[in-house]
Amino acid sequence: LAKTTQPISMDSYEGQEVNITCSHNNIATNDYITWYQQFPSQGPRFIIQGYKTKVTNEVASLFIPADRKSSTLSLPRVSLSDTAVYYCLVGDRTGANNLFFGTGTRLTVIP
Amino acid sequence: ETGVTQTPRHLVMGMTNKKSLKCEQHLGHNAMYWYKQSAKKPLELMFVYNFKEQTENNSVPSRFSPECPNSSHLFLHLHTLQPEDSALYLCASSQGVGTSGSSYNEQFFGPGTRLTVL
Repeated sequence: LAKTTQPISMDSYEGQEVNITCSHNNIATNDYITWYQQFPSQGPRFIIQGYKTKVTNEVASLFIPADRKSSTLSLPRVSLSDTAVYYCLVGDRTGANNLFFGTGTRLTVIP
Repeated sequence: ETGVTQTPRHLVMGMTNKKSLKCEQHLGHNAMYWYKQSAKKPLELMFVYNFKEQTENNSVPSRFSPECPNSSHLFLHLHTLQPEDSALYLCASSQGVGTSGSSYNEQFFGPGTRLTVL
């Protein structure tokens, strides 16, 4: 099971771009990188998933370098409602070992 | 609205009580999960059911007893709990553990049950 390391917390002002980096040095060939978002007193919500290079959807972008030992979640122009905990998970597509959440990164957006 | 509902949303119980948490998913998924989230701690996976069969029991004390009568329903039976069991209990579902395909086995979470043990 690939271990992930993220910063515990980050602060950002409204309207700025936020980049949260996750380290996963032991990522396996079949592993994908997935990010979830969790608001207080709610369950996590899937944001984005990728394998290599760059993935973009309506919520975020995910940048993965060629060695895949890290990944960066990019949130464009954050608002107060983006204040949440962001989790990085690494595992294969079967989901069998994609079930363990770390401590995540607590993002606080400041007015 | 994620398609996963949990009841009750809040529960207060004494250490000698017996209660049950209920989870229902309306997504046609085959895997369901129980997680525990204590204050300022990461989510802890408790149980996994895949096609109604329990495939994971993450060293959970026997005072927590899961039940999965069908792919849409999941229960967590509680008895003789301790105050340290107070937490947010989250249910999730996904297409199915161990089924690879074009889409990732994304988990959909319910809103959780906030449990307080006195």
